[in-house]
Amino acid sequence: EDQVTQSPEALRLQEGESSSLNCSYTVSGLRGLFWYRQDPGKGPEFLFTLYSAGEEKEKERLKATLTKKESFLHITAPKPEDSATYLCAVQALNAGNMLTFGGGTRLMVKP
Amino acid sequence: KAGVTQTPRYLIKTRGQQVTLSCSPISGHRSVSWYQQTPGQGLQFLFEYFSETQRNKGNFPGRFSGRQFSNSRSEMNVSTLELGDSALYLCASSLRVDGSSYNEQFFGPGTRLTVL
Repeated sequence: EDQVTQSPEALRLQEGESSSLNCSYTVSGLRGLFWYRQDPGKGPEFLFTLYSAGEEKEKERLKATLTKKESFLHITAPKPEDSATYLCAVQALNAGNMLTFGGGTRLMVKP
Repeated sequence: KAGVTQTPRYLIKTRGQQVTLSCSPISGHRSVSWYQQTPGQGLQFLFEYFSETQRNKGNFPGRFSGRQFSNSRSEMNVSTLELGDSALYLCASSLRVDGSSYNEQFFGPGTRLTVL
């Protein structure tokens, strides 16, 4: 069974204090790993897709990396508007379009 | 380009009733997937529709069903509602040019269902 575990569950940072969120996964053949951002009361917002170990993608203050067992979302010099829940999901080769999500990391950035 | 739209945004029902939720995908997207989000279980896959056919189904009882129309719009139905069905129901659309292609999924704002 495909599994995704995210840590920490919650993270408090001061504005400008860089950190990383972790997503560990076990999957029977990875098609892709996805990162989403979700604000309260809204649907998840797509951030990145990573397909193979060693791949990296960047968007503003966010950088996602992928290994064979885990992915990291690095946040550089975060701002209060980066506060949200960050979700990681995997798509397995034998599971069609289904995404298996982790529990998320709730990030709070204080000014 | 308009995003994924879901109606209604909020719904209150009582146990035993049934409910139908609607999702309009991004223009040109042919795949619609449905997810349930609860504080205890997180985001869980319900099913996916592509070319009006259910392609994959998650581990939910038969009370949960769906369909897709020729314009790619989708509906999901929950019959005989239970208290535990209270959740945010999210719809996601993806391009999926054909049955063997997979693309990023873009989510709608969700329908908040409360069962009393």
